Amino acid sequence: EDKVVQSPLSLVVHEGDTVTLNCSYEVTNFRSLLWYKQEKKAPTFLFMLTSSGIEKKSGRLSSILDKKELSSILNITATQTGDSAIYLCAVKGAQKLVFGQGTRLTINP
Amino acid sequence: DGGITQSPKYLFRKEGQNVTLSCEQNLNHDAMYWYRQDPGQGLRLIYYSQIVNDFQKGDIAEGYSVSREKKESFPLTVTSAQKNPTAFYLCASSIDGGSWKETQYFGPGTRLLVL
Repeated sequence: EDKVVQSPLSLVVHEGDTVTLNCSYEVTNFRSLLWYKQEKKAPTFLFMLTSSGIEKKSGRLSSILDKKELSSILNITATQTGDSAIYLCAVKGAQKLVFGQGTRLTINP
Repeated sequence: DGGITQSPKYLFRKEGQNVTLSCEQNLNHDAMYWYRQDPGQGLRLIYYSQIVNDFQKGDIAEGYSVSREKKESFPLTVTSAQKNPTAFYLCASSIDGGSWKETQYFGPGTRLLVL
């Protein structure tokens, strides 16, 4: 059965800290890995990764995929209170998107 | 304004009642999806549709039904057979459900509560 596991499930840090969120997967016929940010309602798309070792970057957020280790990390540098959200990792396998449980990130001022 | 809309924002269901959640998109996407989100469990796939007049069961389809009569619309009915319907329901769409390059875009969600 396809599986995506995120860690930690919950993380509380101070504004300005750097955080690393983890996602590991066991999925048949891996196609792509996606990261979403969910604040109050709809998850919003952050990154899609398909190739191992190539970093995707958007401002203070970056992500990289390691196909050998079947994992990905999402880094956020110089965190701000607006980064507080649930971060979802999802992996596209043979047919559908499989989601992890999410990491709830809280940034305290 | 392109996007995915869901209604209502909140829905209350009485015991034994069927309720229908609406999902509409004007992105001209072929594929649409319904997910259920419970605390600590991430998103679980209920049903998906890759094309009009066709849909497939996801991981937790029991107690739910869908239809896809129009490309823009993918309503979800929560039937009385669903014994634990309280959850946050998210609808999503993507350009092509079969493509490995797809990205799914989400609607704002409907929170269903049982009275």
